[in-house]
Amino acid sequence: AQKVTQAQTEISVVEKEDVTLDCVYETRDTTYYLFWYKQPPSGELVFLIRRNSFDEQNEISGRYSWNFQKSTSSFNFTITASQVVDSAVYFCALLSGGSNYKLTFGKGTLLTVNP
Amino acid sequence: KAGVTQTPRYLIKTRGQQVTLSCSPISGHRSVSWYQQTPGQGLQFLFEYFSETQRNKGNFPGRFSGRQFSNSRSEMNVSTLELGDSALYLCASSVGLAGIDTQYFGPGTRLTVL
Repeated sequence: AQKVTQAQTEISVVEKEDVTLDCVYETRDTTYYLFWYKQPPSGELVFLIRRNSFDEQNEISGRYSWNFQKSTSSFNFTITASQVVDSAVYFCALLSGGSNYKLTFGKGTLLTVNP
Repeated sequence: KAGVTQTPRYLIKTRGQQVTLSCSPISGHRSVSWYQQTPGQGLQFLFEYFSETQRNKGNFPGRFSGRQFSNSRSEMNVSTLELGDSALYLCASSVGLAGIDTQYFGPGTRLTVL
């Protein structure tokens, strides 16, 4: 069975602080994909990144960076120099299951960036 | 390029009624998936349609059904509504099957069942 755990329910930081959102996943598949989505108050899920299980390279996109470690089944997301506009719920998701694939989401982490 | 659009954005229904939600995917996308989001259960996969065929299904009762048209637009129907069906229903589209291509989400339809 597939499972995604985001242990941090809520995080509150002050603007310009760095913040890391944790994500731990479980799957028996050797081929799978990991995602991060951002959900602002408007409700729309905004795609941030997709990673396949064979690519463990870390990625940086502006103030965002992702650390994928298969050894610990983790795919953590760091926002550097956070801004108020980063306030949102962030979801980590796992796509696995072979031909019966499905996208399994974590419960989400509510990030509040205070000015 | 326009994103995924969903209509209506808000709906209020009463128990026992049925409801139909609509989703228009990004132009060129052939797969549409539906998700239910509630505070208690989080985001849960309902089903995926590709080329007018249901390709994958989550663990929801038969009251939840869907279809896809030749232009890739999709509708989701919920019959005999229950209070627990109150949720944000999100639609996502992808170029190919969701198992291969990244899904892009719409703004959702917020359904309230009274």
